[in-house]
Amino acid sequence: AQKITQTQPGMFVQEKEAVTLDCTYDTSDQSYGLFWYKQPSSGEMIFLIYQGSYDEQNATEGRYSLNFQKARKSANLVISASQLGDSAMYFCAMREVRNFNKFYFGSGTKLNVKP
Amino acid sequence: EAGVTQFPSHSVIEKGQTVTLRCDPISGHDNLYWYRRVMGKEIKFLLHFVKESKQDESGMPNNRFLAERTGGTYSTLKVQPAELEDSGVYFCASSHRGGANGAFFGQGTRLTVV
Repeated sequence: AQKITQTQPGMFVQEKEAVTLDCTYDTSDQSYGLFWYKQPSSGEMIFLIYQGSYDEQNATEGRYSLNFQKARKSANLVISASQLGDSAMYFCAMREVRNFNKFYFGSGTKLNVKP
Repeated sequence: EAGVTQFPSHSVIEKGQTVTLRCDPISGHDNLYWYRRVMGKEIKFLLHFVKESKQDESGMPNNRFLAERTGGTYSTLKVQPAELEDSGVYFCASSHRGGANGAFFGQGTRLTVV
């Protein structure tokens, strides 16, 4: 069974608007971490934001916030005030405490920011 | 501080040939990981080193893949003989021991087997 599901292969957003990238996960563990990575056209994977399963508040990092809904097992990434440089692939990932060093990734969402 | 570096960035080889990918992790990072993304699919775990020891190689597809990490520094991933389905982007990542907030990834090696 797929651990991380990203249902949006591609998204468009107008510059300066907000956009939400969906991510749902599947785990029976109580303790886990959720991550978002950005992959620009240059290829490197850039860590954006982290949410622990026991964190009560949604994680925020600048223009990035993670909308964590534990009961629904969703961890959507919200990018506020989109910029042209936000155009990239975005990957949602999870790591379970019982297998701390293995990340499970989704298939990614290609975000295009229109001027 | 230099990031995770991977060589080559692209490789095109014929089916049946051998290819060796190299990863130089961030200095001082004990953990080193290899991941692979086949076109359009999710990024999948291949294996994990702690220093020079293979901690988990449950994701290695088959015995045509061999990973080594000499002296706990750089790592190589050799595919011999390569098959068409091996095409994809191979990512290397590293982290501190117990690194809580994710790992640092390289830019990937795009492997095309023709």
